[in-house]
Amino acid sequence: EDKVVQSPLSLVVHEGDTVTLNCSYEVTNFRSLLWYKQEKKAPTFLFMLTSSGIEKKSGRLSSILDKKELFSILNITATQTGDSAVYLCAVAGGTSYGKLTFGQGTILTVHP
Amino acid sequence: DGGITQSPKYLFRKEGQNVTLSCEQNLNHDAMYWYRQDPGQGLRLIYYSQIVNDFQKGDIAEGYSVSREKKESFPLTVTSAQKNPTAFYLCASYRDLTGELFFGEGSRLTVL
Repeated sequence: EDKVVQSPLSLVVHEGDTVTLNCSYEVTNFRSLLWYKQEKKAPTFLFMLTSSGIEKKSGRLSSILDKKELFSILNITATQTGDSAVYLCAVAGGTSYGKLTFGQGTILTVHP
Repeated sequence: DGGITQSPKYLFRKEGQNVTLSCEQNLNHDAMYWYRQDPGQGLRLIYYSQIVNDFQKGDIAEGYSVSREKKESFPLTVTSAQKNPTAFYLCASYRDLTGELFFGEGSRLTVL
């Protein structure tokens, strides 16, 4: 059974802090790892990672995958209150690319 | 603009009643998915369909049914056999070009 575990489950920081969110996984026939941000309703796509050691970056957010150790991290630098959200990690395995296994999510709260 | 439309956004139901959640997409995506989200448990896959007139059970299909008569539409019926139907339901479609799942805004079902 595929499994994705995120840590920490919740995190409270102040604006300007840097945070690191963790995601470890066990999946058969790994295809990709995806990060999503969920503020209120629909999760929005952040990154898709398929290769080890290659950092994906978008503004203050960056992510990297380690396929040997089976984990990924999502870094957010200089956090803002708008970064407050649930961050979801998901893994695609098997034969259906869209059939994702999700972690529990990390609730990030950024105080002014 | 293309997207996924879910309706209704909020729904109340009495125990013993079936209810159908609508999901329509105009993105021309072949594959569509239904996920359920409960607090602290991330997203869990209910059913998915990779092509019209074909669908597969996900991890928690018991008490649910779907149909896929048109490419654009993938309705989910929550039957009276579902023991704990109160949850947030998310419909998604698979975007081939980026490898991501694209989500609708969700439907929140409450059983009274």
